[in-house]
Amino acid sequence: DGGITQSPKYLFRKEGQNVTLSCEQNLNHDAMYWYRQDPGQGLRLIYYSQIVNDFQKGDIAEGYSVSREKKESFPLTVTSAQKNPTAFYLCASSTPIGPGPYGYTFGSGTRLTVV
Amino acid sequence: AQRVTQPEKLLSVFKGAPVELKCNYSYSGSPELFWYVQYSRQRLQLLLRHISRESIKGFTADLNKGETSFHLKKPFAQEEDSAMYYCALSGSGNTGKLIFGQGTTLQVKP
Repeated sequence: DGGITQSPKYLFRKEGQNVTLSCEQNLNHDAMYWYRQDPGQGLRLIYYSQIVNDFQKGDIAEGYSVSREKKESFPLTVTSAQKNPTAFYLCASSTPIGPGPYGYTFGSGTRLTVV
Repeated sequence: AQRVTQPEKLLSVFKGAPVELKCNYSYSGSPELFWYVQYSRQRLQLLLRHISRESIKGFTADLNKGETSFHLKKPFAQEEDSAMYYCALSGSGNTGKLIFGQGTTLQVKP
């Protein structure tokens, strides 16, 4: 069953902690993306990667970091530098590079809460 | 700057009524536009893209370059259409990244 798996579904973080959100896809997609979804603000791009070992900052990259060591995996780390990390995080993939004929495939999301 | 604007946070209609979800964009060049939908407890998924010029679940959207709009329309709303709808624009430079609007919640009342 092909798709994107995000884990965990819910994540709680204490002030000053770094946390890592997992995103794995078995669709053989080249490009992967991380978006943040906040009520009334839509989806905002955090980071994206078009190819293994390469990634670019999106519109709100401050306080976040990513890696792309494998084609299938694109983990997102929310660092303590992120001032307001409580949000819903969505991972997506696409192939070829770009929205393609079928658009993005999205994961089910991770809800991060700072406690 | 590239931008997508959905002016309505919430659109509430009765079943059987026509629906139009507004989307305006700002882009210098030939845009590629999409509508995505998120039903309750489901993943965000592609509804349609302007290049396909197709009708999905009775929805259509026409790109109007003069008005820089890509409104989503359906002549007769159904209760199962209730969801969050996002308009999205493909960025320039073939990076593949999508720029999303703020989203509109469509509520179809019985």
